[in-house]
Amino acid sequence: GESVGLHLPTLSVQEGDNSIINCAYSNSASDYFIWYKQESGKGPQFIIDIRSNMDKRQGQRVTVLLNKTVKHLSLQIAATQPGDSAVYFCAEMGSNDYKLSFGAGTTVTVRA
Amino acid sequence: ETGVTQTPRHLVMGMTNKKSLKCEQHLGHNAMYWYKQSAKKPLELMFVYSLEERVENNSVPSRFSPECPNSSHLFLHLHTLQPEDSALYLCASSRAGESDTQYFGPGTRLTVL
Repeated sequence: GESVGLHLPTLSVQEGDNSIINCAYSNSASDYFIWYKQESGKGPQFIIDIRSNMDKRQGQRVTVLLNKTVKHLSLQIAATQPGDSAVYFCAEMGSNDYKLSFGAGTTVTVRA
Repeated sequence: ETGVTQTPRHLVMGMTNKKSLKCEQHLGHNAMYWYKQSAKKPLELMFVYSLEERVENNSVPSRFSPECPNSSHLFLHLHTLQPEDSALYLCASSRAGESDTQYFGPGTRLTVL
């Protein structure tokens, strides 16, 4: 099964299910997008990124989708594991820029 | 997390104290950043150094004073802080001059009494 919806501050997922975390961004000039994972007591950890000339990019168990028409970004996690429990942030940046703008974050809790 | 290290990991200080946070990056980057992370709020960019020059001071009070002696080290000097300054302070680094991934350290959890 999947958990999907509009941006939610929390997401509870059954272990083994797929997760989808959504993010809306506001700046149409944003050119570069990053997903970070932050576990308790740690700094944000890079998961995957995507540039605006792409609409999909896959990593190990993760996929990022970018819909520039509606300014929407999503992170899909396949076969969610207990170690995936964390806060997930999307971040956006303009071209040739250094300023990352972060979303509010989604707390993912994996149920055994 | 060994790419970007921060010390101390935890700090408790009084409002009249002076302390410093240290960040070191081992990634060969030449841009470094300080962020503040408070509960229930998005990460706030405080300062940016690119090629050892400060290029961003995001309306941060003067009781926070950054220093970047070289491209691998970044400090945040703290003095006469307020309780509302209690937060997680994160350092990050990246390559300068292009939109590029920022890599974060583990942060310093600061409590101001």
